[in-house]
Amino acid sequence: DAKTTQPTSMDCAEGRAANLPCNHSTISGNEYVYWYRQIHSQGPQYIIHGLKNNETNEMASLIITEDRKSSTLILPHATLRDTAVYYCIPEGKYGNKLVFGAGTILRVKS
Amino acid sequence: EAGVAQSPRYKIIEKRQSVAFWCNPISGHATLYWYQQILGQGPKLLIQFQNNGVVDDSQLPKDRFSAERLKGVDSTLKIQPAKLEDSAVYLCASSLGGVRRMETQYFGPGTRLLVL
Repeated sequence: DAKTTQPTSMDCAEGRAANLPCNHSTISGNEYVYWYRQIHSQGPQYIIHGLKNNETNEMASLIITEDRKSSTLILPHATLRDTAVYYCIPEGKYGNKLVFGAGTILRVKS
Repeated sequence: EAGVAQSPRYKIIEKRQSVAFWCNPISGHATLYWYQQILGQGPKLLIQFQNNGVVDDSQLPKDRFSAERLKGVDSTLKIQPAKLEDSAVYLCASSLGGVRRMETQYFGPGTRLLVL
């Protein structure tokens, strides 16, 4: 399975954009990258996923580099409720299986 | 649409006792997962069901953990006997039904287990 590298933690001011990077240099050409987040005392929540092109939904945007070795999750206007652990998860070769790393702790501050 | 339901939300037991957790997935979801999340770590998959069959239980400690999904809907995860290191949050998730490719998983709130 592709390995990922994410910052341990990041801070962001409320109302500003939060940009969360992920390195997945060993990802295969047809494997998607998924992002989930986990708010304290809750189960993980799906955010977005992508393959090659940039993606946007009501929660976030996902920018994937052309060589697909890294991606950035963007929360355009972070709020206090976005404080959570964010997980970048490349699709592995073992089917429908999420392999969670340590993720990035995002703290949004007022 | 109702989400994934889990019960109980909290459980405290003594070591060597047994405990069971229950999960009801989103209606119509064929695939069900149980994860274990130790404090400070990401969730780890314990077992994956497709309908009532096991797809992956490679990380389930089978000497003490068991799980079933008899009618292909709700599921029970049991620990017998519990050890101190089983203290964790047990998360249940479900997805529509794909096994070969990754698809969105929907998680329940989890059951927080403390073994004393």
